[in-house]
Amino acid sequence: NAGVTQTPKFQVLKTGQSMTLQCAQDMNHNSMYWYRQDPGMGLRLIYYSASEGTTDKGEVPNGYNVSRLNKREFSLRLESAAPSQTSVYFCASSDAGQVFYGYTFGSGTRLTVV
Amino acid sequence: SQQGEEDPQALSIQEGENATMNCSYKTSINNLQWYRQNSGRGLVHLILIRSNEREKHSGRLRVTLDTSKKSSSLLITASRAADTASYFCAMPFTGSARQLTFGSGTQLTVLP
Repeated sequence: NAGVTQTPKFQVLKTGQSMTLQCAQDMNHNSMYWYRQDPGMGLRLIYYSASEGTTDKGEVPNGYNVSRLNKREFSLRLESAAPSQTSVYFCASSDAGQVFYGYTFGSGTRLTVV
Repeated sequence: SQQGEEDPQALSIQEGENATMNCSYKTSINNLQWYRQNSGRGLVHLILIRSNEREKHSGRLRVTLDTSKKSSSLLITASRAADTASYFCAMPFTGSARQLTFGSGTQLTVLP
């Protein structure tokens, strides 16, 4: 089925460990996004990539890095995980055409940092 | 900071009743969207309304936009137990076209 695929679905890290969250979309979308969702705070934008080869910071980029590997894939890296990064992470994509139709989201990665 | 604020935070109704959720925002926007999130799942896009539209329908969903009051509402008619979910409004960040900021959501529970 067409959509946005995130891996892994669950992850437990120790403080200081690193990991990369993977995201791939097969809808030929130009733009991709990483959000985190914390209880009572809605979603906050971490980083985004408006098109292949570009990345920009969102609201809460500290402690994260991203790579737009190609048009399909956009990864999020935690270099040294902290308990404050315990959250659910969502990847999304959208077309960059003249008409904006909204985002397609992945099913999320639930990350716990202990 | 988030631009959208949703009201109420939680809403519980009986099956068959209508559910109304509201979203207020701070600065001018060119579109506003509503998303649904079932427990433990990703968000699903429901409907997008542009700043030159006042009302839009999609099945049992009705969205209104009042740019003078900087507010929007989502009405779900004849609610079903399957409508139980969190509902979020979203709009572009100030100065952005496609990067969205989300409200904190309304948790809707539809009782059978």
